[in-house]
Amino acid sequence: DGGITQSPKYLFRKEGQNVTLSCEQNLNHDAMYWYRQDPGQGLRLIYYSQIVNDFQKGDIAEGYSVSREKKESFPLTVTSAQKNPTAFYLCASRPTTGRNQPQHFGDGTRLSIL
Amino acid sequence: GQQLNQSPQSMFIQEGEDVSMNCTSSSIFNTWLWYKQDPGEGPVLLIALYKAGELTSNGRLTAQFGITRKDSFLNISASIPSDVGIYFCAGRSSSGGSNYKLTFGKGTLLTVNP
Repeated sequence: DGGITQSPKYLFRKEGQNVTLSCEQNLNHDAMYWYRQDPGQGLRLIYYSQIVNDFQKGDIAEGYSVSREKKESFPLTVTSAQKNPTAFYLCASRPTTGRNQPQHFGDGTRLSIL
Repeated sequence: GQQLNQSPQSMFIQEGEDVSMNCTSSSIFNTWLWYKQDPGEGPVLLIALYKAGELTSNGRLTAQFGITRKDSFLNISASIPSDVGIYFCAGRSSSGGSNYKLTFGKGTLLTVNP
């Protein structure tokens, strides 16, 4: 089945540790996005990529890094510089052919601090 | 940055009642999207709107793109228990150029009492 797969579903981070969240899509979408969701808040954009080997910072990129070496993969690293990493992280993708194609989301990764 | 005000923040209704929620923006949008999120899962696209004045239905759901291009509403008719969840509006600013970035509302938490 086509879709967006995020893994793991739950992740725990120790102080000072970097962790990487996986996002894979087999929808052949060009654009991919990472959002952070906190309780009672809307989704806030961390990073996005509209094409392989290119990505841009979103509204809250500090303390995060990404790579886009393959079209189907857009991993997010939460670095030790991110002092408040506990949140629900959502990955999304969309095709860029055709006008205004909407984003579709994976099922998220919940990150907690040990 | 752009701001999106979504209201109400939460709603408690009886099964069978109709529901209405809305979003207003501080800037003009050229796309409005409505998503539903179940606990622990990613948002699922319900309705996409692309033109001012557009009225679109998806089963018991109806959404409209406001004439001013700064607002949108979502109606749910004859609510059922599985309508429970968080409903998010999202908009794409007309000043975004080739970058497809969405601004999200903070969500409306809907509870349906059987």
